[in-house]
Amino acid sequence: SQKIEQNSEALNIQEGKTATLTCNYTNYSPAYLQWYRQDPGRGPVFLLLIRENEKEKRKERLKVTFDTTLKQSLFHITASQPADSATYLCALSNTGKLIFGQGTTLQVKP
Amino acid sequence: SQTIHQWPATLVQPVGSPLSLECTVEGTSNPNLYWYRQAAGRGLQLLFYSVGIGQISSEVPQNLSASRPQDRQFILSSKKLLLSDSGFYLCAWSVWTGGSNYGYTFGSGTRLTVV
Repeated sequence: SQKIEQNSEALNIQEGKTATLTCNYTNYSPAYLQWYRQDPGRGPVFLLLIRENEKEKRKERLKVTFDTTLKQSLFHITASQPADSATYLCALSNTGKLIFGQGTTLQVKP
Repeated sequence: SQTIHQWPATLVQPVGSPLSLECTVEGTSNPNLYWYRQAAGRGLQLLFYSVGIGQISSEVPQNLSASRPQDRQFILSSKKLLLSDSGFYLCAWSVWTGGSNYGYTFGSGTRLTVV
């Protein structure tokens, strides 16, 4: 069955450093990979989408890579800030259904 | 601009009682609509999705059902709630244009506690 794995352990980093989150998947060939941010008690908020034929996508301080050979995506936040603290969800889609990983919680310390 | 409304924000219901959660979308036509559930500390589980009026696909056999009576209205229901139905329910919409998708927009969610 399809499986999406994100590091369940929280990632703690110092303000100003680059945060790197990993998303691995198996038994799936997604056309799209998406990253969302979720704050406690709130719905996820869409951040970035990358297509299977794209290697990298950037948006302000965010960068996403997509390696369909390794079946892996990396999500980077450069110059991290305490306001970036949240849970980040990786999601894959093919034909309209979006399947989510469990998310990784990022804590940026001042 | 597109907006999504979901209510109520919180709900406490006894076991065996019925459930009706409503989600409406504004500012877009013919969206794909989705119901997700998130258990405490867990990821999002896709429950139902709909690509058009009256068209519902169920992802997980369970005690719940969904309906789409209008283009921009999606309803999640249960005739008799179970304790295991507790969770954070999220409605979402997306549009696929020319075979491409541009991300999902989620509602603010309903926190359901079955007691």
